[in-house]
Amino acid sequence: AQSVTQLGSHVSVSEGALVLLRCNYSSSVPPYLFWYVQYPNQGLQLLLKYTSAATLVKGINGFEAEFKKSETSFHLTKPSAHMSDAAEYFCAVSEANTGGFKTIFGAGTRLFVKA
Amino acid sequence: SQTIHQWPATLVQPVGSPLSLECTVEGTSNPNLYWYRQAAGRGLQLLFYSVGIGQISSEVPQNLSASRPQDRQFILSSKKLLLSDSGFYLCAWGGTVYGYTFGSGTRLTVV
Repeated sequence: AQSVTQLGSHVSVSEGALVLLRCNYSSSVPPYLFWYVQYPNQGLQLLLKYTSAATLVKGINGFEAEFKKSETSFHLTKPSAHMSDAAEYFCAVSEANTGGFKTIFGAGTRLFVKA
Repeated sequence: SQTIHQWPATLVQPVGSPLSLECTVEGTSNPNLYWYRQAAGRGLQLLFYSVGIGQISSEVPQNLSASRPQDRQFILSSKKLLLSDSGFYLCAWGGTVYGYTFGSGTRLTVV
């Protein structure tokens, strides 16, 4: 069965610094992997997705993530943080099972950006 | 383009009262639709999903029910709310392979 672990419920960076949000997954079959962003009192927005094509996936707002099968990781990065990046980020994994596909979300990481 | 509408944005209801949250999708036909709940400081819990009119699958037995009376309409209901039903409810459409599009959410407070 699949699972998702986001390391660090809170991450704080300075404006202009590298953003690194960690996500590790477990899956018995090749997974589909996603990152979503949620601003306060809003729904989630899809940032990027990995669907077995290129291992380095580029998303919106300058974010990217790299699928590393050997490490079962899908960490989210952005070279230079902006104040507007302050939000909560969710990693998610989908895999096929007997009932079809199922998506599991991580517990989320809240990103703080300091001026 | 596809859009998803969810209302109301906020709701305060007394314990024991009924609930009806509505979600509609535009710009697509026969979408897979989902209801998620997000408790304070926690991740997302899938409550119901639907692959077509009248077809509802429940992931977690609880005090809630869902219905899909029309192709692009998904309703979450309860006959009697409990304090534990408080949370942020999100409607979504899409697929587990290509990702979800979420509505803006309803914050429900049961008092």
